[in-house]
Amino acid sequence: DAMVIQNPRYQVTQFGKPVTLSCSQTLNHNVMYWYQQKSSQAPKLLFHYYDKDFNNEADTPDNFQSRRPNTSFCFLDIRSPGLGDAAMYLCATSRVRGTYNEQFFGPGTRLTVL
Amino acid sequence: GQNIDQPTEMTATEGAIVQINCTYQTSGFNGLFWYQQHAGEAPTFLSYNVLDGLEEKGRFSSFLSRSKGYSYLLLKELQMKDSASYLCAVLDSNYQLIWGAGTKLIIKP
Repeated sequence: DAMVIQNPRYQVTQFGKPVTLSCSQTLNHNVMYWYQQKSSQAPKLLFHYYDKDFNNEADTPDNFQSRRPNTSFCFLDIRSPGLGDAAMYLCATSRVRGTYNEQFFGPGTRLTVL
Repeated sequence: GQNIDQPTEMTATEGAIVQINCTYQTSGFNGLFWYQQHAGEAPTFLSYNVLDGLEEKGRFSSFLSRSKGYSYLLLKELQMKDSASYLCAVLDSNYQLIWGAGTKLIIKP
């Protein structure tokens, strides 16, 4: 089945210790998104890739970086996690950007910062 | 600024009908999505409306009025598995999804 896969599902890291979350997709979609979602809040878009074109949201902290080495994979790097970065991180894809733009979500990675 | 409003929490009874409202003020409009999100899981797509009117899909229906900046999600014949958060999201003029905080729906037997 075509899908969006995120690893790991649960990640625990130390305060200030770099961490990388991964996302892969078998949908062959052009667009990949990273969202941060805290409890009972709306998903917050961090950045997205349209093919290799990187789009950073204006209020995304510099602490968050992303890489997309190929169509299928996208990584979220948190350089120095703080306690406030504990959240669910959702990866999503869409076939194109614009007009009808259904996004398909992975199961998420729940990040705990100790 | 851009804003999506929906109730924080609603309670309904198994077998009943519930309507979850969403109002929006965004920079442009290119469609409105409803997503379902179970606790600790990712959102899953329910519906997309870009024209005024009602779209029906099984037990779920979604309505849109662009002139009023208003949508609702109607759930019929409620089942316990419908207990989840329901997120309203609008595609703005830049084709960015603007998300509401979600409505937590609690179903009681």
